[in-house]
Amino acid sequence: GESVGLHLPTLSVQEGDNSIINCAYSNSASDYFIWYKQESGKGPQFIIDIRSNMDKRQGQRVTVLLNKTVKHLSLQIAATQPGDSAVYFCAELYGQNFVFGPGTRLSVLP
Amino acid sequence: GAGVSQSPSNKVTEKGKDVELRCDPISGHTALYWYRQSLGQGLEFLIYFQGNSAPDKSGLPSDRFSAERTGGSVSTLTIQRTQQEDSAVYLCASSFRGRRGAEAFFGQGTRLTVV
Repeated sequence: GESVGLHLPTLSVQEGDNSIINCAYSNSASDYFIWYKQESGKGPQFIIDIRSNMDKRQGQRVTVLLNKTVKHLSLQIAATQPGDSAVYFCAELYGQNFVFGPGTRLSVLP
Repeated sequence: GAGVSQSPSNKVTEKGKDVELRCDPISGHTALYWYRQSLGQGLEFLIYFQGNSAPDKSGLPSDRFSAERTGGSVSTLTIQRTQQEDSAVYLCASSFRGRRGAEAFFGQGTRLTVV
C-alpha cells in the first residue's frame, strides 16, 4: 500500500548547526504534507505544512522543501537548539487520512 | 478545552479485559482520527470519523477494536479481550475539514499496558 518513509532513523547534530531531516513518500497524488515534532511522553505537535503547488515554505527557523519529481520532502531546522531534540514525523494526506512515516530521532549535542 | 483531550492518560489492564479510551476533540472540528503508536515506532492509523459520514475503519487491526463518535464530538475507542500486543500509546487527533488539508491536532495520548 501507500507509505511514507524516512531515510535516516536517527540524526545527531551539534547545537547551533543546521539539521536536515528527510522523508520519501510514495503516493504521487498526495497534495498536502505536514511535519510533526514529538517530544517524549507527548503527542505529535504540528511544525509546518506544505501543499503540492509549492516547493518551499518557511517558518520560524524551519523550512520545508518538497520535490514532487522524486517524491521527497525535507525539514530544515536552522541553528538547532537543545529544545529541538525530539522525534520528527512527516505525514502525507492520502485520501482522507494522514499517513505517517516511522520517524527520525533528532539528538542535539552540546 | 483549548486542545484535544484524552483520558485516561495511562491505563494498565489485565489480559482479557475490555478497555475504553476517550477522546474529546477541539470544538468545531469535524474530523477525528485514532492512531496507535508502539514503543519507538511510527503512527499506525486505526479509524477516521468525518461529520455524519460512515467512519473509515480500514485501520482497525481486529474485530476486538471498535470506536464510536457520539454527537459528532466525543469519541470512544474500545478494545475487547485485550492482548499484550495491544500495549501501545493510543493517540487521537482532530481537524477542521472545512478546507482540504487542514492540519490534525493531537492529544497527549493514552498509554495502554496489558499485563
